[in-house]
Amino acid sequence: DIQMTQSPSTLSASVGDRVTITCRASQSISSWLAWYQQKPGKAPKLLIYKASSLESGVPSRFSGSGSGTEFTLTISSLQPDDFATYYCQQYNSYSTFGPGTKVDIK
Amino acid sequence: EVQLVQSGAEVKKPGESLRISCKGSGYSFTSYWISWVRQMPGKGLEWMGRIDPSDSYTNYSPSFQGHVTISADKSISTAYLQWSSLKASDTAMYYCARHMGGPGGFDYWGQGTLVTVSS
Repeated sequence: DIQMTQSPSTLSASVGDRVTITCRASQSISSWLAWYQQKPGKAPKLLIYKASSLESGVPSRFSGSGSGTEFTLTISSLQPDDFATYYCQQYNSYSTFGPGTKVDIK
Repeated sequence: EVQLVQSGAEVKKPGESLRISCKGSGYSFTSYWISWVRQMPGKGLEWMGRIDPSDSYTNYSPSFQGHVTISADKSISTAYLQWSSLKASDTAMYYCARHMGGPGGFDYWGQGTLVTVSS
């Protein structure tokens, strides 16, 4: 099994802040990584796929980078709608989600 | 418009069986894998397994292998998640999701089915 970790587990930030979330895989997954946003009571929403490709309709303030075992999700200027939990997912070998990072209001 | 519509919430007793469904529309159902994802109350996302609706080929996470069965009926564009004997620990929200194919990721999700198992 490929294990995924995320840091931090919780992040307190203000509107307008630049936010970075890190995701690490227990072995190389090339660029087979996606990022999701989930709000309470809602299904997850795909933000980024193949590590750095922006899903259609997702604001350009979201970006992803990395390859191999280390990846980042960056929100360039946090907006009120961005307070949510973010998950990374590997799909190099079946699929595994990271434990999530909750972004809350500072 | 692509949609995955899941069956409604269920309340079951331990030991009972259950099958929940996920109906795809607005796209070629047999062209995209469907995965099932569990989310226990207040917890993160867990990938359970997937199915290729074109031939019903399945893969399971080791954590769920033998505990659930994933199936599909391509004639009605519906995927299923099934338990033969529920446990209280199966209480969770269950989502189906479509694999976007090629570069990957799950691009469309069902609204979720809440399963509550309680005596």
